[in-house]
Amino acid sequence: GQNIDQPTEMTATEGAIVQINCTYQTSGFNGLFWYQQHAGEAPTFLSYNVLDGLEEKGRFSSFLSRSKGYSYLLLKELQMKDSASYLCAVMDSNYQLIWGAGTKLIIKP
Amino acid sequence: IAGITQAPTSQILAAGRRMTLRCTQDMRHNAMYWYRQDLGLGLRLIHYSNTAGTTGKGEVPDGYSVSRANTDDFPLTLASAVPSQTSVYFCASSDGDANTGELFFGEGSRLTVL
Repeated sequence: GQNIDQPTEMTATEGAIVQINCTYQTSGFNGLFWYQQHAGEAPTFLSYNVLDGLEEKGRFSSFLSRSKGYSYLLLKELQMKDSASYLCAVMDSNYQLIWGAGTKLIIKP
Repeated sequence: IAGITQAPTSQILAAGRRMTLRCTQDMRHNAMYWYRQDLGLGLRLIHYSNTAGTTGKGEVPDGYSVSRANTDDFPLTLASAVPSQTSVYFCASSDGDANTGELFFGEGSRLTVL
């Protein structure tokens, strides 16, 4: 079966750095996505990786290793507004998105 | 403001009743999707439409139906609601570029079936 694993919850301190990991087992691979979802709101797109390596976008970076079935989202200079759930999703060989359950990130002052 | 509009935002429904969740987008996106989100689970695809006039089944289609009469509208119907359909429902759209797959989501419809 297809599976996306990410930690259920993480806690970090304002101003610090946090890394959210995602491992996947899917039938084929056509890209990996990270979305941010604040409580009670809709998910919003953060990043897309299809080739190995690091993609940087401001305070957020996303890394992919296809051989290891592994990605991480790196958040720097954490702000209170970064408190949210972070969803990892993989596009399989049929171009269908398989979603992880999300990682709830709690930022403490 | 361009985007996706869902209605209603919240609804309590008696089991056995029929319910239609509405979704409208003004971005002229070809592809539209309906997901349900339940605590502890990832988003699960119910139905999708790659273009007006076509629809397809997702991972959890049973008990739901959709139609795509035009580009903008993609309603989701529960013919006879059951308590297991209590969930938050998200409509989403994309410009159909499968290589990027970025989805734009509506604000969600919270449905409670009693």
